Amino acid sequence: AQTVTQSQPEMSVQEAETVTLSCTYDTSESDYYLFWYKQPPSRQMILVIRQEAYKQQNATENRFSVNFQKAAKSFSLKISDSQLGDAAMYFCAGYIGTASKLTFGTGTRLQVTL
Amino acid sequence: DGGITQSPKYLFRKEGQNVTLSCEQNLNHDAMYWYRQDPGQGLRLIYYSQIVNDFQKGDIAEGYSVSREKKESFPLTVTSAQKNPTAFYLCASSIMGGLGKLFFGSGTQLSVL
Repeated sequence: AQTVTQSQPEMSVQEAETVTLSCTYDTSESDYYLFWYKQPPSRQMILVIRQEAYKQQNATENRFSVNFQKAAKSFSLKISDSQLGDAAMYFCAGYIGTASKLTFGTGTRLQVTL
Repeated sequence: DGGITQSPKYLFRKEGQNVTLSCEQNLNHDAMYWYRQDPGQGLRLIYYSQIVNDFQKGDIAEGYSVSREKKESFPLTVTSAQKNPTAFYLCASSIMGGLGKLFFGSGTQLSVL
């Protein structure tokens, strides 16, 4: 079985500051992939960043980076220089090849204030 | 422009009625998925298809049915057996071996009259 847990229902950050969203997961598989998806008010899901479990190096995409702690089964998202457009729901998700499906956490709503 | 088109944007269902949500993609993707989103529960997988004329149940398939007669299309029918159909429905697609990298449509909000 695979589970993804996001324990922060809501977070707030000031514009230009840095915020970290937390995610933990549980799987007995060794081959898996982890994701952060963003859902803005338009409600269309957008891929933010992907991490392959076999890679030790943390993934980065411009202002977005992850802290992947494999032993602790932790996968947090750091957003640097936060912008008003970053306000959205953020979902952590995990994909196991043997199951061929993506499992989502319950999401964290991020507010960005001036 | 390539993408995934879901229609309608809003849909209302009467008691005992079946309704069908449309999902069309022109990305030439092999795999397609239907997710249900309820407030505070994230996304849950209803059905998925990795090839034409074949599909598998997800975690919450009861009360739903799908077909995959064409690569581009993956319609979802919410049957009268689904007693709590009010939710936001998202369709997604990926290349074969996409390993979780999904492209999503803009969703359909289904409500019960």
